[in-house]
Amino acid sequence: GAGVSQSPSNKVTEKGKDVELRCDPISGHTALYWYRQRLGQGLEFLIYFQGNSAPDKSGLPSDRFSAERTGESVSTLTIQRTQQEDSAVYLCASSKWTESEEKLFFGSGTQLSVL
Amino acid sequence: EDKVVQSPLSLVVHEGDTVTLNCSYEVTNFRSLLWYKQEKKAPTFLFMLTSSGIEKKSGRLSSILDKKELSSILNITATQTGDSAIYLCAVEESAGGTSYGKLTFGQGTILTVHP
Repeated sequence: GAGVSQSPSNKVTEKGKDVELRCDPISGHTALYWYRQRLGQGLEFLIYFQGNSAPDKSGLPSDRFSAERTGESVSTLTIQRTQQEDSAVYLCASSKWTESEEKLFFGSGTQLSVL
Repeated sequence: EDKVVQSPLSLVVHEGDTVTLNCSYEVTNFRSLLWYKQEKKAPTFLFMLTSSGIEKKSGRLSSILDKKELSSILNITATQTGDSAIYLCAVEESAGGTSYGKLTFGQGTILTVHP
């Protein structure tokens, strides 16, 4: 596809269950970000993948959160033993070095609701 | 710790008013500052600023960077109801060479424009 694709678009789960969120970046984009956005708030950085470098995991809020990326393609964000405070929109974005000013492209997010 | 702070957190105005949104930052290895508008889910790109004192303009929106004060402002003149959104500021850090750097977002300003 032409843009960043995230799935599912909505996920409702029960407290304590594990969830897996998927992001398909734009082809050729070497960098990929995951952000969390609680209702009415800004974007909270979670993790950043850049090419083959070690990912920057400094934003992951707890060891229940993990993310993987295979090469420069799909990434999955896994939340184990979900809690109600995990409810938020999880946004993925990808980018590549370019002369263009618009370098970061966002997916439409996954709305996660933990009951 | 790198941080980006936006003010005000929320703003309510009437159509026709002019608004000024603020963004201040403390990051190492600053490369650029970006503004995004978020209406539903995926933020959309507005401006990228790299040099102090050079205004970027698009219609009723304009923005300028002050690297001495480590801040930027986003102005919207003659506001319309369609300007209602969350406005996000992000700062890009240099990762060296041509690698794309990490983006850190502020918490956003929620703008509500009443008819």
